[in-house]
Amino acid sequence: DVQMTQSLSYLAASPGESVSISCKASKSISNYLAWYQQKPGEAYKLLIYSGSTLQSGTPSRFSGSGSGTDFTLTIRSLEPEDFGLYYCQQYYEKPLTFGSGTKLEIK
Amino acid sequence: QVQLKETGPGLVQPTQTLSITCTVSGFSLTSYYMQWVRQTPGKGLEWMGFIRSGGSTEYNSEFKSRLSISRDTSKNQVFLKMNSLKTEDTGVYYCARDGLGGAYYFDYWGQGVMVTVSS
Repeated sequence: DVQMTQSLSYLAASPGESVSISCKASKSISNYLAWYQQKPGEAYKLLIYSGSTLQSGTPSRFSGSGSGTDFTLTIRSLEPEDFGLYYCQQYYEKPLTFGSGTKLEIK
Repeated sequence: QVQLKETGPGLVQPTQTLSITCTVSGFSLTSYYMQWVRQTPGKGLEWMGFIRSGGSTEYNSEFKSRLSISRDTSKNQVFLKMNSLKTEDTGVYYCARDGLGGAYYFDYWGQGVMVTVSS
C-alpha cells in the first residue's frame, strides 16, 4: 500500500500569514493527490485534486504543488475560516490511502 | 444542491453486523460512484470501498469478506454492511461521492455517523 506521511501533525499560524503543509508518498504517485479540509461539525471538503487543481469553490489563496512523492498545500494570507484539519489522499492506486492529518490552529 | 447523510445504529455489539445508510440528494447514483471511508482512533482515515454508477462494487482487501456495499437507486440510498465487528471498528463512518466517474477522490462527503463497538 502507498503510505502517505504528513510529517507535521500540528501547525500554528496567525491570520494573514502564509503556511505550507507537506505530504509525502512512499512511492511515486504522479499527481494523483487530493487535499481535504475538515472543520468541527462540518463535512470534509475537497480543496484540491490532481495535485494542483482547485476544486470549484476553493479560494484562490489555496494552492497545491508537487509531483511524484512530495506534495505541498500552501495557504496564502490565512483567513480565520482556514483553521482546521488538512488531509492528503493518494488515488494513484488502490487501496486509496490518506495522510494522518495536519491541524492548523490560530496562534 | 448535493447532500449526503449517513444514518446508523450508534452502538453495535462485538461480533454483530453494522448497517449504515447513506441518503443522497442533488445527483443520481447512476451517474456517480459512491465511496465509503471510515476514521478510527487506531488507523485514522481508511478507504473501505465503493459502488460504481453501474452497480458493481470494489472493496479494500483490509476488510476482506466482512464488507458489503449496495444501493437502492429508487430511494437514492447507498448501504454499508460490515459483519463480525470488533472494538477496533469503533469510529466515524462516512459516505462520499466520487469526483468523476472513477476519479477516486471525493468531492462531497456526508457528515459521518459515529459507531461504537462495545458490549
